[in-house]
Amino acid sequence: AQRVTQPEKLLSVFKGAPVELKCNYSYSGSPELFWYVQYSRQRLQLLLRHISRESIKGFTADLNKGETSFHLKKPFAQEEDSAMYYCALSTDKGYGQNFVFGPGTRLSVLP
Amino acid sequence: DVKVTQSSRYLVKRTGEKVFLECVQDMDHENMFWYRQDPGLGLRLIYFSYDVKMKEKGDIPEGYSVSREKKERFSLILESASTNQTSMYLCASSLRPSGFFNEQYFGPGTRLTVT
Repeated sequence: AQRVTQPEKLLSVFKGAPVELKCNYSYSGSPELFWYVQYSRQRLQLLLRHISRESIKGFTADLNKGETSFHLKKPFAQEEDSAMYYCALSTDKGYGQNFVFGPGTRLSVLP
Repeated sequence: DVKVTQSSRYLVKRTGEKVFLECVQDMDHENMFWYRQDPGLGLRLIYFSYDVKMKEKGDIPEGYSVSREKKERFSLILESASTNQTSMYLCASSLRPSGFFNEQYFGPGTRLTVT
């Protein structure tokens, strides 16, 4: 069965401090991993995806297949990074696409 | 600009009522999804549709049904609303995968309260 875990419900850091949001997954095949973000009063939106290997808003995430992890990192947190972050796993069903989301981590960046 | 719209932002219904939540996307996406979002539980998939008139149960389909008569529209139906269906409901859409996995685009959500 596919599963995504995010061990921290809430993560508080000070502005300028490094931040790491943890994500672990369980899936026997080759997954595609995403990070989605929801800012206050905004809709859920894609932050970054594993296959793109890009950095968005200073965030990066590396897929570690050995540890089945896809942790989200940023070296210097900003107050505008405060939001709800969801890790998601996508698998191809052939006729469609299946997404499994983690429970989410609320990041609070303190001034 | 990509757009997924949901018919209502807030909805209050009584126990036992039949409730319709509508979702429309203008991106010609094949896949459409309905989730409920609850604190501490994240997003849980209710139903998924990969084409017109095609649907598949997600993780928590009990008490819900769906309808997809047109490609752009995906409706979630609560046959007889109950208080435990009070939640935020999110609709999403994506292209069918074509060699790589496509992101989902989300609507603004409908906060449903069942009293």
